[in-house]
Amino acid sequence: LAKTTQPISMDSYEGQEVNITCSHNNIATNDYITWYQQFPSQGPRFIIQGYKTKVTNEVASLFIPADRKSSTLSLPRVSLSDTAVYYCLVGDRAASKIIFGSGTRLSIQP
Amino acid sequence: NAGVTQTPKFHILKIGQSMTLQCTQDMNHNYMYWYRQDPGMGLKLIYYSVGAGITDKGEVPNGYNVSRSTTEDFPLRLELAAPSQTSVYFCASSPLGRGDYGYTFGSGTRLTVV
Repeated sequence: LAKTTQPISMDSYEGQEVNITCSHNNIATNDYITWYQQFPSQGPRFIIQGYKTKVTNEVASLFIPADRKSSTLSLPRVSLSDTAVYYCLVGDRAASKIIFGSGTRLSIQP
Repeated sequence: NAGVTQTPKFHILKIGQSMTLQCTQDMNHNYMYWYRQDPGMGLKLIYYSVGAGITDKGEVPNGYNVSRSTTEDFPLRLELAAPSQTSVYFCASSPLGRGDYGYTFGSGTRLTVV
């Protein structure tokens, strides 16, 4: 399982775009990049997954450069309710387990 | 559709006591997992199961036991509870271990050992 490095914490304001970058230098050919969101006192929730280039859904966008050694989760026009911990995970989609890192604690201010 | 249900939501356990944390899913997922999360920290994998009758250790299995007699249920047993086991425990499930479908987590059990 590839090791990931992401900032411990980030602060932003309502209405801003927030970009959280994750470094994964040892990503393998079969690995996908997945992001989860965790609100206080709740279990993590799947946000988005990608392999290369760009993926977009109703919640976020995921940008992955050609070398795939990093990825950026983009949250457009954040609100107070986006305050949460965001986890970047890298692994084979057929893997039997996933390992979480420490995540990025995002705090949104009014 | 209830998803992943964990009981109890809260519990206080005395040192040396034992208890079972319950986890049930109604999505017919083959893969199930137990994680613990200490305050301000990420999740650590305790045990996981790829199907009924099959279990395997994760990152931090010591002090815990699991069983998987049915597809739906994956209980976590704590024997001889210690203060170090004070944590929030999350159960999760996924279909066939496929990360592309995402993992569904329960709402957690907050356990305090005193």
